Amino acid sequence: EPEVTQTPSHQVTQMGQEVILRCVPISNHLYFYWYRQILGQKVEFLVSFYNNEISEKSEIFDDQFSVERPDGSNFTLKIRSTKLEDSAMYFCASTFGHNNSPLHFGNGTRLTVT
Amino acid sequence: DQQVKQNSPSLSVQEGRISILNCDYTNSMFDYFLWYKKYPAEGPTFLISISSIKDKNEDGRFTVFLNKSAKHLSLHIVPSQPGDSAVYFCAATATSGTYKYIFGTGTRLKVLA
Repeated sequence: EPEVTQTPSHQVTQMGQEVILRCVPISNHLYFYWYRQILGQKVEFLVSFYNNEISEKSEIFDDQFSVERPDGSNFTLKIRSTKLEDSAMYFCASTFGHNNSPLHFGNGTRLTVT
Repeated sequence: DQQVKQNSPSLSVQEGRISILNCDYTNSMFDYFLWYKKYPAEGPTFLISISSIKDKNEDGRFTVFLNKSAKHLSLHIVPSQPGDSAVYFCAATATSGTYKYIFGTGTRLKVLA
């Protein structure tokens, strides 16, 4: 069964550094998402991406964050200048359509900012 | 504003019995609801969903019930198995007007052997 893959599984970075989290969504999916989960808390929506542009973003997704689909398969989340509070699990998800279609998630990247 | 709420942070059930996980929502625009299971260090795994035009959807041991008037949905697992021990999240979206799927805070289910 096709799956969403994310790399790396764990990223440690120093405060103020840039990080890029990578995702390969399921190949025939058209909608792409990033969510995050701070330890023990809820799974929070960050951003959705469709037709090569951001379709919706949350208030968490400020100017420090950006997303890109640089080719036909990868979907990346960049955090320009990481803060301690960016430490979380970041999940990529994709879905074929937005009409009664479930999101399929990757296994996440654990980001630790020191 | 917590639009999707799971008021029980944890639930313990004996193996073979029924597990019932509950979820409430506040946004009347939501029309598609989902349940996910999550193991530690893994991403949420889709289990089952229901559209607002239905009040029940069944898939094997898993059944989701939707009560639109009460803005309430529940997931029934029967019979419960030790491998079902995980955190369960409900999620909801409005298929028009938003792309967001909003998740609840999760319920940790422990199935006792």
